[in-house]
Amino acid sequence: GAVVSQHPSWVICKSGTSVKIECRSLDFQATTMFWYRQFPKQSLMLMATSNEGSKATYEQGVEKDKFLINHASLTLSTLTVTSAHPEDSSFYICSARYPGQGSVNEQFFGPGTRLTVL
Amino acid sequence: RKEVEQDPGPFNVPEGATVAFNCTYSNSASQSFFWYRQDCRKEPKLLMSVYSSGNEDGRFTAQLNRASQYISLLIRDSKLSDSATYLCVVNRNNDMRFGAGTRLTVKP
Repeated sequence: GAVVSQHPSWVICKSGTSVKIECRSLDFQATTMFWYRQFPKQSLMLMATSNEGSKATYEQGVEKDKFLINHASLTLSTLTVTSAHPEDSSFYICSARYPGQGSVNEQFFGPGTRLTVL
Repeated sequence: RKEVEQDPGPFNVPEGATVAFNCTYSNSASQSFFWYRQDCRKEPKLLMSVYSSGNEDGRFTAQLNRASQYISLLIRDSKLSDSATYLCVVNRNNDMRFGAGTRLTVKP
């Protein structure tokens, strides 16, 4: 299958700092990438859909000014958690839509980034 | 009501057992359906798609009942390596929605 990478894989930061997470599709071009958040023992929750060259579409309840998304190229999307607080501590996972045939294009997930805000 | 609901488990079964997971979804316009597997602290990985006619992949069998908006996954002859969380995923217009997952532990 296609490969999606994320960097960093884990990060610990102080409250009030900003953290940038990168998501890359390594062997295909992804016009659409997705950012999810997963709290312990809970489901993946879609935060936003990132479209190359345009503004991200945020899910209801997700603050766009706090979670800045940039999809500057067909292989890279970044999520910046601004002024992080302990409640932002979570597992952040990106996925990239593989441009296949048919009505559904399979999504491939990155390995995730575990954020801990002290 | 959640869009995709699963029994959270945990299911603790002995090696060799057969175990079944259920999932229901609320949006009748959902177009395609999947089971993903997620190991602890890892990303989800596609296990199999689910078709109306039912489909099988080795020890795994998936079923879809559109009328009841119900999806199932059956695992036969379970292995220790099957221990994971199984996520039911429903897609509509390329918008994928995940269930909370069912946790399976297979014990020797």
